Amino acid sequence: GAVVSQHPSWVICKSGTSVKIECRSLDFQATTMFWYRQFPKQSLMLMATSNEGSKATYEQGVEKDKFLINHASLTLSTLTVTSAHPEDSSFYICSASKLAGAPNEQFFGPGTRLTVL
Amino acid sequence: AQKITQTQPGMFVQEKEAVTLDCTYDTSDPSYGLFWYKQPSSGEMIFLIYQGSYDQQNATEGRYSLNFQKARKSANLVISASQLGDSAMYFCAMREFSGGYQKVTFGTGTKLQVIP
Repeated sequence: GAVVSQHPSWVICKSGTSVKIECRSLDFQATTMFWYRQFPKQSLMLMATSNEGSKATYEQGVEKDKFLINHASLTLSTLTVTSAHPEDSSFYICSASKLAGAPNEQFFGPGTRLTVL
Repeated sequence: AQKITQTQPGMFVQEKEAVTLDCTYDTSDPSYGLFWYKQPSSGEMIFLIYQGSYDQQNATEGRYSLNFQKARKSANLVISASQLGDSAMYFCAMREFSGGYQKVTFGTGTKLQVIP
């Protein structure tokens, strides 16, 4: 199989604090990982694409200093929401691709629900 | 212009009937991939079916089939013999390769409700 996990599943934090979300590919090596955010009843919006060992590519309008992405290994990518505010409350989903260029090999994590008070 | 367009915010279908969920896309890349995902109320994204731009035949996976019309840039999902468990949000997505990087864009989704 191809399993992607996310931790934590949900988190509530105070405004101004930073929150780290982990995305792990449990049984395969992921050369590319994607981070999405989803507002209630809306679609997934790609935030950034990260390739192992290189800097993440952020989508237009996504603040790099606000959403720090680290893809340090082939099985782990982290998203850190720095100085979180209530408007950052959202459902964050990661996905992982087994091989660069393999078109149908993208597997999603279960998501992390972030609530900022 | 929208990369992926799903024009049906919501759909109802009778149990055991077939339903078609519409998806049109826009890209200038010759090589791309089209996906359909199901998202139940629990939130996880479930991969349903994939169609490559060079695939000659329409993709099928069990009760799911993708009606790929390249000239029209449409990739409609057909669910046959609907089941109550099919009630969920359905997202169409497109993968492109830009500057050596993959990029996946999602449509706005269609909420499908299967009626007993």
